[in-house]
Amino acid sequence: DGGITQSPKYLFRKEGQNVTLSCEQNLNHDAMYWYRQDPGQGLRLIYYSQIVNDFQKGDIAEGYSVSREKKESFPLTVTSAQKNPTAFYLCASATGTKETQYFGPGTRLLVL
Amino acid sequence: AQSVTQPDIHITVSEGASLELRCNYSYGATPYLFWYVQSPGQGLQLLLKYFSGDTLVQGIKGFEAEFKRSQSSFNLRKPSVHWSDAAEYFCAVGPTGGGNKLTFGTGTQLKVEL
Repeated sequence: DGGITQSPKYLFRKEGQNVTLSCEQNLNHDAMYWYRQDPGQGLRLIYYSQIVNDFQKGDIAEGYSVSREKKESFPLTVTSAQKNPTAFYLCASATGTKETQYFGPGTRLLVL
Repeated sequence: AQSVTQPDIHITVSEGASLELRCNYSYGATPYLFWYVQSPGQGLQLLLKYFSGDTLVQGIKGFEAEFKRSQSSFNLRKPSVHWSDAAEYFCAVGPTGGGNKLTFGTGTQLKVEL
């Protein structure tokens, strides 16, 4: 089946710890995106990548980092600089500019 | 700046009743418009999209939406709601800047009474 997978489903972070969220797609999509979802705030864009080895900051990139070494993978690292990381994180992909974004099942990050 | 407003945070309807969820947008050019649905703890599923052409768009699960440029609206409708339609619904507009970025509304939580 083609689609977008995110792992893990739940992730726990301790103070001062970096954690990495996985996003993989087998749709052969060029563009990939990371969103953060908080109750009552909709989705906010963290980072996006239109092509391998290139990515751009979204609206709330501070405290996050990404890489795009392979077309199918776009991992997100939540660094210790992100002081309020508790949220639901969604990954999406699209064939390219001006195309529909398709979403993964999400990862819920909780702080211990 | 582009923006999307979903004025209703919560809506409750009875099963079998009709539904209309409102979406208003602010966008400087011809927008691409989307409706997504999200069940609790899940990702977003695309219901329908408008890129151009016919302003009445049909989607999955019996939903439709109408693009009204004069009112800057893209309201979602369903003639008869099923209990399984209970979820959160998001309207989005794009592209907002480079990279096909989308701007999302804050969502409308739909509750269906049996």
